[in-house]
Amino acid sequence: DAKTTQPTSMDCAEGRAANLPCNHSTISGNEYVYWYRQIHSQGPQYIIHGLKNNETNEMASLIITEDRKSSTLILPHATLRDTAVYYCIVRLPRRWNTGNQFYFGTGTSLTVIP
Amino acid sequence: DAGVIQSPRHEVTEMGQEVTLRCKPISGHDYLFWYRQTMMRGLELLIYFNNNVPIDDSGMPEDRFSAKMPNASFSTLKIQPSEPRDSAVYFCASSLTGGLRQEQYFGPGTRLTVT
Repeated sequence: DAKTTQPTSMDCAEGRAANLPCNHSTISGNEYVYWYRQIHSQGPQYIIHGLKNNETNEMASLIITEDRKSSTLILPHATLRDTAVYYCIVRLPRRWNTGNQFYFGTGTSLTVIP
Repeated sequence: DAGVIQSPRHEVTEMGQEVTLRCKPISGHDYLFWYRQTMMRGLELLIYFNNNVPIDDSGMPEDRFSAKMPNASFSTLKIQPSEPRDSAVYFCASSLTGGLRQEQYFGPGTRLTVT
């Protein structure tokens, strides 16, 4: 599975859009991009996933570049409850990468500021 | 649905003792995962099951760790003997096979402290 690179931390003003980037330059053609987030002291929570096309659901939008080497998770109107660590994961469907400390990576710690 | 249930939520034990962590997946889910999270190594996938069968356990750190899934509604992760470096938060997650979403639902975690 491809390794991902994310900024360590970001701030965003409450009510503004939060744009979280992820680089996955070694992604293969069949690998999907998944985004999860982890609010302090809780288990990770699924947000969205995509292959090539941009995706949108009730939580967020996912923009994947045409070459698929990077993507951006967009929280359109960030709230204080969106403060969390956001993980970008690239993998094949129905395959999980055990024994790899980079599987979830270190993620981006997003702080939404009042 | 109550979601993924883990017990205990907190466990403090002395080095050398046996520790058993428990997980009840969401009813109907056929995949079950065990993760470990530490500040140093982040979130690591230890093992996962499909239809109660272990599929990949290469993430299990060493022989002191073992996991079982005797039926579709219950799984255990055992550490014997425990060591201080096993201190971490252990998460259990479950998901459905169908579709590409492959969303994993995580439990609240068990915070293990080995002194």
